[in-house]
Amino acid sequence: DAKTTQPNSMESNEEEPVHLPCNHSTISGTDYIHWYRQLPSQGPEYVIHGLTSNVNNRMASLAIAEDRKSSTLILHRATLRDAAVYYCILRGYTGANSKLTFGKGITLSVRP
Amino acid sequence: DAGVTQSPTHLIKTRGQQVTLRCSPKSGHDTVSWYQQALGQGPQFIFQYYEEEERQRGNFPDRFSGHQFPNYSSELNVNALLLGDSALYLCASSLDGVWMNTEAFFGQGTRLTVV
Repeated sequence: DAKTTQPNSMESNEEEPVHLPCNHSTISGTDYIHWYRQLPSQGPEYVIHGLTSNVNNRMASLAIAEDRKSSTLILHRATLRDAAVYYCILRGYTGANSKLTFGKGITLSVRP
Repeated sequence: DAGVTQSPTHLIKTRGQQVTLRCSPKSGHDTVSWYQQALGQGPQFIFQYYEEEERQRGNFPDRFSGHQFPNYSSELNVNALLLGDSALYLCASSLDGVWMNTEAFFGQGTRLTVV
């Protein structure tokens, strides 16, 4: 399985933007970049995914490097509810390659 | 839509016993995956069921088995429980055909404690 590398932790102030980096130097051409987050005492929650182009949705933005070897999840205005573990995951596009391989993720703390 | 529901929410078992965990997928989803999450770790993939067959399997022993029913709900069975099986067991559902997949929705999990 292609691997991702994330910092262990990051701190942010409430209402400020947050940039969460992820390195995936061994990504293959058919791997999508997925982000999930896990709030305390809850199951993981889908955040966003992309292949080559930058992506935006109501929760966040995903910026993908041109060579696809790194990406950044952007939370435009952090709230206390965004404090969670964020996982960057590479996932195949077919049903047979759809398992999610979680690492340790990055723990985001948000200061009021 | 109730989303993904898992039962029970908590369970305490004794070493050597067997346990069955249950999962109802989100409406319209046909694929169910199971994950084990030890304290302080990310979830680890156990296996995935699609069309009532095990389609993918992670690095877990045969003591871990599962089943998917015609209504897409699923069970995870663990035999001969060990203390190390104590963990949060997560079920995720998605709509994963042969040539596509969709975002996975997770349940709240079943907290299994083996004593």
